[in-house]
Amino acid sequence: EIVLTQSPGTLSLSPGEGATLSCRASQSISTSLAWYQQTPGQAPRLLIFGATNRATGIPDRFSGSGSGTDFTLTISRLEPEDFAVYYCHQYGSPLRTFGQGTKVEIK
Amino acid sequence: EVQLVESGGDLVQPGGSLRLSCVGSGFTFTSYSINWIRQAPGKGPEWVASISGSGDFIYYTGSLKGRFTISRDSTKNSVYLQMNSLRAEDTGVYYCARGGQFDLWGQGTLVTVSS
Repeated sequence: EIVLTQSPGTLSLSPGEGATLSCRASQSISTSLAWYQQTPGQAPRLLIFGATNRATGIPDRFSGSGSGTDFTLTISRLEPEDFAVYYCHQYGSPLRTFGQGTKVEIK
Repeated sequence: EVQLVESGGDLVQPGGSLRLSCVGSGFTFTSYSINWIRQAPGKGPEWVASISGSGDFIYYTGSLKGRFTISRDSTKNSVYLQMNSLRAEDTGVYYCARGGQFDLWGQGTLVTVSS
């Protein structure tokens, strides 16, 4: 099983600031990585797929980078609606796994 | 409208069974794999199972130990999750999600395993 480790666990920031979230895979997954945003009571929403590609309708303040084992989700300027929990997910193996999540909270 | 809708969640006793359904609409259902993903209260998502568009390829997370079975009926644009020998740790919201990248999710259905 490919283990995904996200860091930090919690990020305390103010609106307008930038956020950098990390996801590390236990083995190489090329660019088979996606990022999701989840707000309370809602299903996760796809933000990024293929490590760097924004999903339909996702604002360009969200960007993804990385390949192999190290990946980053960057939010350039936090809007109020961006305070949420973010998960990475690998689909490089048929046995899918998620990271444990990073909570972006208002400072 | 492009959507997935889950149903079948309920309160069930430990050792019991439940069958969840996921119905897709607004897209060519047979072109996509469908996945079941669950989320325990206060925890992150956990992928449970996937089935290819044709139904020929099926995968499960290793922790299930054969208790769950995924299937699909293309005539009804539906995917099912048969859950047997349910345990308290199976409690959570169960989502179905489309494709390899989970680009479309349903609203979820709540499964509670408790006596």
